[in-house]
Amino acid sequence: GESVGLHLPTLSVQEGDNSIINCAYSNSASDYFIWYKQESGKGPQFIIDIRSNMDKRQGQRVTVLLNKTVKHLSLQIAATQPGDSAVYFCAENMNSGYALNFGKGTSLLVTP
Amino acid sequence: DTEVTQTPKHLVMGMTNKKSLKCEQHMGHRAMYWYKQKAKKPPELMFVYSYEKLSINESVPSRFSPECPNSSLLNLHLHALQPEDSALYLCASSRTGQGSYEQYFGPGTRLTVT
Repeated sequence: GESVGLHLPTLSVQEGDNSIINCAYSNSASDYFIWYKQESGKGPQFIIDIRSNMDKRQGQRVTVLLNKTVKHLSLQIAATQPGDSAVYFCAENMNSGYALNFGKGTSLLVTP
Repeated sequence: DTEVTQTPKHLVMGMTNKKSLKCEQHMGHRAMYWYKQKAKKPPELMFVYSYEKLSINESVPSRFSPECPNSSLLNLHLHALQPEDSALYLCASSRTGQGSYEQYFGPGTRLTVT
């Protein structure tokens, strides 16, 4: 079965609001997590990553939070813009191996 | 340059055809990947090359044949495909084959098998 999943398949937010996309994982051996954004007709685009020895990491308008106790990962997007509309995937890497295990994806729709 | 390029962008082929997908990166990455992505689904790993050697084959049917001619190029040879093989084929690369390094994806090749 899939060890990485998302709580909400779709999320609709108003422009300017903050967005939170959640992800649950089940493998406590996962030591690296990554968020990708995929726009229609394009390949996944790296957003931000976090290692298991961290709880929080910030980028430009994005923050990733990792809660290892409950095996939960979230992506926060500040001041969401129309260009943020896309499908967002979380992915985990286990034991520093080759493969990324992707979650199902959340479709983010930003309305004016 | 953080770009992975893929050609062609679109490909339509019959079930008896032989075609190839191409991928190229010039970031000095030594791991390259092929993924298959169906509509509204996450990417699924097919193959991993590390230092030009095949490291992982995720039980992919033999009608898909990968090739890594050098550290910058990755090909996927297609032969006798089925309609259910229609999908977006994504190439990716990363600094090494061992994890904890982000994978950079190309734009994909949209494949339709008729």
